[in-house]
Amino acid sequence: QKEVEQDPGPLSVPEGAIVSLNCTYSNSAFQYFMWYRQYSRKGPELLMYTYSSGNKEDGRFTAQVDKSSKYISLFIRDSQPSDSATYLCAMIDYGQNFVFGPGTRLSVLP
Amino acid sequence: DAGITQSPRHKVTETGTPVTLRCHQTENHRYMYWYRQDPGHGLRLIHYSYGVKDTDKGEVSDGYSVSRSKTEDFLLTLESATSSQTSVYFCAISESILSGGAYEQYFGPGTRLTVT
Repeated sequence: QKEVEQDPGPLSVPEGAIVSLNCTYSNSAFQYFMWYRQYSRKGPELLMYTYSSGNKEDGRFTAQVDKSSKYISLFIRDSQPSDSATYLCAMIDYGQNFVFGPGTRLSVLP
Repeated sequence: DAGITQSPRHKVTETGTPVTLRCHQTENHRYMYWYRQDPGHGLRLIHYSYGVKDTDKGEVSDGYSVSRSKTEDFLLTLESATSSQTSVYFCAISESILSGGAYEQYFGPGTRLTVT
């Protein structure tokens, strides 16, 4: 079993839809949780990060962490064609060890 | 790309030849990382550095070596390239969590390496 599991997609949604992206993990030592967005042929860029269980909102994006279930989510409201990208979840423990999920490819159709 | 450059951006090389990829940062961040990204595997850590001349192995370090003689430069060397090392290589930087720095990583633009 991989440390971090993520549905690879591809996921296709119409413009304006609410998108839900998810990751599960097995290592309870993970303390920080991040979501990266990666456009084709570019490096990943940080979208959001969170430390504790609960929700964190930033514009159209909401990150949710449930440490008891070892489950994290990213919600995108009012999705736009410009949101089409691969979304990577990432986690880190206090040992500075970053672990990434394989990524979910999202297409938002106009 | 947060002051991170990678060179070369594209390279085609033959099996058995040595290859060196360079990562250069202008952010003065302590930590530097080399990842490879392959379909179905996502980003996998090859090596990382936590200071000048301080490096450690990651998940997929076999066949790779690294060096960091200056804060701003982190070199990745494929000692004898194989076709299985065809991949996209990303460099990343971060500060230290324990020193109260940011925990996010900033990534370079990537190097596409093809080993024929």
